[in-house]
Amino acid sequence: GQNIDQPTEMTATEGAIVQINCTYQTSGFNGLFWYQQHAGEAPTFLSYNVLDGLEEKGRFSSFLSRSKGYSYLLLKELQMKDSASYLCAVRALRNTGGFKTIFGAGTRLFVKA
Amino acid sequence: NAGVTQTPKFRVLKTGQSMTLLCAQDMNHEYMYWYRQDPGMGLRLIHYSVGEGTTAKGEVPDGYNVSRLKKQNFLLGLESAAPSQTSVYFCASSYPPGLAGEVTDTQYFGPGTRLTVL
Repeated sequence: GQNIDQPTEMTATEGAIVQINCTYQTSGFNGLFWYQQHAGEAPTFLSYNVLDGLEEKGRFSSFLSRSKGYSYLLLKELQMKDSASYLCAVRALRNTGGFKTIFGAGTRLFVKA
Repeated sequence: NAGVTQTPKFRVLKTGQSMTLLCAQDMNHEYMYWYRQDPGMGLRLIHYSVGEGTTAKGEVPDGYNVSRLKKQNFLLGLESAAPSQTSVYFCASSYPPGLAGEVTDTQYFGPGTRLTVL
């Protein structure tokens, strides 16, 4: 089966660093996405990891360990606008061919002044 | 480019009524998807399409039908709405992996349709 776990909510202070963890169990793993979703808006793509290690993109970094079924999204120099939900999504092989993307429930991040 | 657009943005239905949600994309994407998003749950795939004229069932297809008559449009139909279909519906589109310089089939989402069934 497929299972993705991430914390429901987190709170952090403006200017600080926050790490949002995601653990997954899936067969046919083929990569992991992070999406950002502001309240009432569409999810938008942040990052994609297919190999182990850290991918850095400005203030955001994403890490993947395939052997541990673990990823995290690191947000540095937090800003109020970073208050949003962060969705972890796993890409996996579909039984009928091709790929599918399975989304976690998301982590709501509150950034306080 | 408008990206992915959805109509309507909001809709209230009575149980048993029917409706169609329209998704349009101007990015020439082959793949299109319909998801529903409910509180405390992740995005769940309803149906998807890997090209014009093709559709396939996702994770939660019951009570929904879809059509992809044109590459740029993907329609989601509810034939007889039920309160359990109250949700926010998102459409998304993507290239297949490896095309157009995309590393993978990154999905681009529309703004969503908030549907309430009474």
